[in-house]
Amino acid sequence: DGGITQSPKYLFRKEGQNVTLSCEQNLNHDAMYWYRQDPGQGLRLIYYSQIVNDFQKGDIAEGYSVSREKKESFPLTVTSAQKNPTAFYLCASSPSLEGSQYFGPGTRLLVL
Amino acid sequence: GENVEQHPSTLSVQEGDSAVIKCTYSDSASNYFPWYKQELGKRPQLIIDIRSNVGEKKDQRIAVTLNKTAKHFSLHITETQPEDSAVYFCAASKDGNKLVFGAGTILRVKS
Repeated sequence: DGGITQSPKYLFRKEGQNVTLSCEQNLNHDAMYWYRQDPGQGLRLIYYSQIVNDFQKGDIAEGYSVSREKKESFPLTVTSAQKNPTAFYLCASSPSLEGSQYFGPGTRLLVL
Repeated sequence: GENVEQHPSTLSVQEGDSAVIKCTYSDSASNYFPWYKQELGKRPQLIIDIRSNVGEKKDQRIAVTLNKTAKHFSLHITETQPEDSAVYFCAASKDGNKLVFGAGTILRVKS
């Protein structure tokens, strides 16, 4: 289960608050991704990054922001503009954009 | 862009029976097809994958078949066990493009 880590495991957000989810990988992968998963639902792509200092919006980027300052790190910020943030957030990485993706253990975000 | 449809959305089988999940894709240039298994509350994990130059691949009780002409690929699980109960996702990609996932299939194995 090593190689790609996420923290924290659980995160609580208050109204109007921005929160940042951490994702780190030591697999030397070029590409990294953020997905949102709602209960009983599939994976929806938020943002992805093919290379350092570059990232692209996915299908549901509104209310989220990312950065890719280092190859091994791809933090996700859930901003106050995201009105329904309660979900299970999964980070993934892959050697190249078209390759197999390896997932982190996830962060469960709850709103107080 | 690529679109992946997955069927059925839920599947219940008796322990020991076989289970088959099918995915269709839209982009004929797609050439990589992985399958992921996600247990409740856990991360999705890659269980098997196939590339377009191969028609079938097996790994113990799991197999994947690919029909490039019809643009569909299937996951076959034989001799199902209760621990096979999970959500299964298919995906497809082509060179230079990210994976596109299907919506998932909830597999329940009844003992």
